[in-house]
Amino acid sequence: NAGVTQTPKFQVLKTGQSMTLQCAQDMNHNSMYWYRQDPGMGLRLIYYSASEGTTDKGEVPNGYNVSRLNKREFSLRLESAAPSQTSVYFCASTEAGALDTQYFGPGTRLTVL
Amino acid sequence: GQQVMQIPQYQHVQEGEDFTTYCNSSTTLSNIQWYKQRPGGHPVFLIQLVKSGEVKKQKRLTFQFGEAKKNSSLHITATQTTDVGTYFCAETLSNFGNEKLTFGTGTRLTIIP
Repeated sequence: NAGVTQTPKFQVLKTGQSMTLQCAQDMNHNSMYWYRQDPGMGLRLIYYSASEGTTDKGEVPNGYNVSRLNKREFSLRLESAAPSQTSVYFCASTEAGALDTQYFGPGTRLTVL
Repeated sequence: GQQVMQIPQYQHVQEGEDFTTYCNSSTTLSNIQWYKQRPGGHPVFLIQLVKSGEVKKQKRLTFQFGEAKKNSSLHITATQTTDVGTYFCAETLSNFGNEKLTFGTGTRLTIIP
């Protein structure tokens, strides 16, 4: 099992460009999460999907959209990238909600110029 | 939003010394999880605490949940170079049946050989 995979690993964008970060898990988990991590700060929740077909905003959703494509895949889209969105993005999944262990992907390092 | 205070932000110790990080919340927690993130890596689950006053051990690591369930600590005895990384606590929020984690800001541990 690969666990949680994320693509791409690195990305550089210009201000105003759009892109989609991909996340997939092969553990048959119900819940999936997108976090961003900035230097000196913990992980902040952007969006989450408690189960297939549902999505909810987290702490910092502005400037992002998500799609729970199916049970395996949860994508994060930046419609018009801004320098403030320069960060490391982590996807995570749990079997059923936040009381379970969160399994993280390797992360995507995004720079917006 | 929910605040999870974690102290200290940084800790430098000589190899073989002990290390402790503390996590404090303004509200009573349902449970708390601890994660470790190696430099350049992704967070990895260590343990979950649920009961008031609970103490759990993993080899040289001791995790404790306060009696009032408002604070938690992680203590490492006789640190080794493999302990280098950032340690995060994370607390569970309940929101209309869906749940999400709020992460502390982390304590970054460096070891002086």
